[in-house]
Amino acid sequence: KAGVTQTPRYLIKTRGQQVTLSCSPISGHRSVSWYQQTPGQGLQFLFEYFSETQRNKGNFPGRFSGRQFSNSRSEMNVSTLELGDSALYLCASSAASISYNEQFFGPGTRLTVL
Amino acid sequence: AQSVTQLGSHVSVSEGALVLLRCNYSSSVPPYLFWYVQYPNQGLQLLLKYTSAATLVKGINGFEAEFKKSETSFHLTKPSAHMSDAAEYFCAVNFGNEKLTFGTGTRLTIIP
Repeated sequence: KAGVTQTPRYLIKTRGQQVTLSCSPISGHRSVSWYQQTPGQGLQFLFEYFSETQRNKGNFPGRFSGRQFSNSRSEMNVSTLELGDSALYLCASSAASISYNEQFFGPGTRLTVL
Repeated sequence: AQSVTQLGSHVSVSEGALVLLRCNYSSSVPPYLFWYVQYPNQGLQLLLKYTSAATLVKGINGFEAEFKKSETSFHLTKPSAHMSDAAEYFCAVNFGNEKLTFGTGTRLTIIP
């Protein structure tokens, strides 16, 4: 089985722009979660989607949004980029409930905001 | 409040020595517990997980962890460190909702 794939792997944007990141989960997985990883804040939960519905959301401003398609692929969007949005964005997929199931992580998209 | 604490942001051990990485959580009910490893420029890989079965959990690459309810701990150990174990390790907890709460991570360095 192919693992979780994220595109693009690297991205450079300037302040004020917007960006869309893509995640393709493992085949058959219906849950997709997004995390932001920074040296200062560590790994922080952004949101989780299951069957196209957002089930959980972290404490991020409304500039961060996401969606999931019928094939379970997911996108996250960040509008009006700020310098502090520079981070590694990780996507993870899980078969169903992530309470006890393993989450499989992609390699991440490294976003740099100049 | 529910939280995860990893003691020691950096740990150094000699090759062949015991590895001990500490994780404590704060919760009124036993959660689901995980250890992940992250190598440079990569995503996270699951080492092991506790889901209320055996309290001593064995994982990949010779790692194991013991769930101690009375101490609210889930420390990660490996009897003999190998150079390839150098990485960052994250303890993660699911407190019964559909998300993982991660500790701040411990960077493990192996001294030859």
